[in-house]
Amino acid sequence: DAKTTQPNSMESNEEEPVHLPCNHSTISGTDYIHWYRQLPSQGPEYVIHGLTSNVNNRMASLAIAEDRKSSTLILHRATLRDAAVYYCILRPRGGSNYKLTFGKGTLLTVNP
Amino acid sequence: SAVISQKPSRDICQRGTSLTIQCQVDSQVTMMFWYRQQPGQSLTLIATANQGSEATYESGFVIDKFPISRPNLTFSTLTVSNMSPEDSSIYLCSVPSPGLAGGIYEQYFGPGTRLTVT
Repeated sequence: DAKTTQPNSMESNEEEPVHLPCNHSTISGTDYIHWYRQLPSQGPEYVIHGLTSNVNNRMASLAIAEDRKSSTLILHRATLRDAAVYYCILRPRGGSNYKLTFGKGTLLTVNP
Repeated sequence: SAVISQKPSRDICQRGTSLTIQCQVDSQVTMMFWYRQQPGQSLTLIATANQGSEATYESGFVIDKFPISRPNLTFSTLTVSNMSPEDSSIYLCSVPSPGLAGGIYEQYFGPGTRLTVT
């Protein structure tokens, strides 16, 4: 599986934007970039995914570098509820490989 | 979306015993995944359970230790056998959700079963 690299931890203040980086220099042309997060004492939840173009949804935005070797998850206004571990995961497009391979992720702390 | 429930939510067990964890989904799904999350660690996939066939185990996990049943499209069980303190973890089940045009866009996770082995 292609590997991702994320900072171990990041800190933000409430109501400020947060940019969570992810490096994936060995990404293949058929890999989707997925982001999940795990709130304390809960199972992971899907945040967003993309292939080449930047993506927006109600939870976050995903900015993908032109060469696709890095991406950034953007939380536009962090809330205390956004404190979680954020995982950047590469998943092949198509086929039958539905497995998610989790790395260590980034622990986001949001200060009031 | 899919709503997943797990039973028990937590348990404390003695070494050498076995525990069966149940996973119930509110819709029919072909695949179910079982993950383990050891204390302070990330999630590791144990196996993929397809209805009507044997589960597929990841490297480092064996059927004798983690037998899985998948009797229908909404239910699965994972048994942690002959437990030792090293098995103390959170065990989570997960199902994929088909996206547009049959692609897999999201996975849904259960709340997890927190197991402590003494």
